[in-house]
Amino acid sequence: EVQLVQSGAEVKKPGESLEISCKGSGYNFSNYWIGWVRQMPGKGLEWMGIIYPGDSDTRYSPSFQGQVTISADKSISTAYLQWSSLKASDTAMYYCARGGGFDVWGQGTMVTVS
Amino acid sequence: EIVLTQSPGTLSLSPGERATLSCRASQSVSSSYLAWYQQKPGQAPRLLIYAAFSRATGIPDRFSGSGSGTDFTLTISRLEPEDFAVYYCQQHANSPWTFGQGTKVEVK
Repeated sequence: EVQLVQSGAEVKKPGESLEISCKGSGYNFSNYWIGWVRQMPGKGLEWMGIIYPGDSDTRYSPSFQGQVTISADKSISTAYLQWSSLKASDTAMYYCARGGGFDVWGQGTMVTVS
Repeated sequence: EIVLTQSPGTLSLSPGERATLSCRASQSVSSSYLAWYQQKPGQAPRLLIYAAFSRATGIPDRFSGSGSGTDFTLTISRLEPEDFAVYYCQQHANSPWTFGQGTKVEVK
């Protein structure tokens, strides 16, 4: 079964750093884009950026460029989303998803900054 | 950046009725790169339609996609109780890939 499994919920304070993860299984992780999507409470989906694990080609939305870092380790089929200094406005659900049309989604990681 | 505008914001319909959801792009999008998603409360989104017309695996045939250029449509031919949800379109032709703001289909 193809699946993406994300790390668990996080509660952090403003100014702290954080890395959340997304582990793929059941397919060749290197050969599919992995994207990150933010959903703030009660709001819509926002595309943050994508990475191609095979060569680490990474693209960011202008809204998130410089605010987060997307990376991947293809040897362990895992993608990461990292913040160096969290803000209260980073409180949201974060999803990873596979591909262009996102055909497989992780279960989401809730990040609370307070 | 390609802006996707969905309309209406909310669609109030009864089970058995037909739902027509619109997604308009600020510039032309290749049909190959237009997708639709369904999201229910507390759940991750689910891919319904990819490449504007093609149903994803396991999606019932009451869901259909159409359109080209800047105007795309998701049609649900007869609403089932489980179809009441929020629907998003997305383009992945040009970076940054973008989502529409969503259409909520609610029970009338």
